[in-house]
Amino acid sequence: ETGVTQSPTHLIKTRGQQVTLRCSSQSGHNTVSWYQQALGQGPQFIFQYYREEENGRGNFPPRFSGLQFPNYSSELNVNALELDDSALYLCASSLRGQANYGYTFGSGTRLTVV
Amino acid sequence: AQSVTQPDIHITVSEGASLELRCNYSYGATPYLFWYVQSPGQGLQLLLKYFSGDTLVQGIKGFEAEFKRSQSSFNLRKPSVHWSDAAEYFCAVAIRGGYSTLTFGKGTMLLVSP
Repeated sequence: ETGVTQSPTHLIKTRGQQVTLRCSSQSGHNTVSWYQQALGQGPQFIFQYYREEENGRGNFPPRFSGLQFPNYSSELNVNALELDDSALYLCASSLRGQANYGYTFGSGTRLTVV
Repeated sequence: AQSVTQPDIHITVSEGASLELRCNYSYGATPYLFWYVQSPGQGLQLLLKYFSGDTLVQGIKGFEAEFKRSQSSFNLRKPSVHWSDAAEYFCAVAIRGGYSTLTFGKGTMLLVSP
């Protein structure tokens, strides 16, 4: 059973640029959630995808967008990067997006915006 | 909206001493409750979870947690801390039923002194 894989592990972008982060879900999981973890903070929910559709969103602006593919992998896209977007981005996969089925987290992508 | 409070930002414990990390939640009904651990630069690893039943739950690495409905608390304990337990610990909640996501506390950093 493979876990959740995220790529890249680190990247540095310039303010105003766009970035795409990728996540491969755990085998058998059909739901992917994305979280932003700023330095010294707990993870904050960005959005969740189930069967290729967004089915929940946290308090993040529209320049944060995502996709889920037929194999349940997912992308997080951030446009017009701001300095405050610097954070660890975590992907979690689950079955049906229901907490009682559990979540498996990836190791994250560390994004630095300069 | 649900919220999670971890009142201790940092805790230092001597190796071999006991540990208790506090977590209080605010929600209309009893949510699902979780404790996660995060080592530096890593993703989140589930220590234990409470869904229903026995209010004392056992987890991995010798950790346990007790759910107290009257206090809206879910404190994490370990009888004897090892140096390898040094990490950041997050309490999280999720609503019951249907699609749900995790709401995290801000975390408690555990330091272990020799």
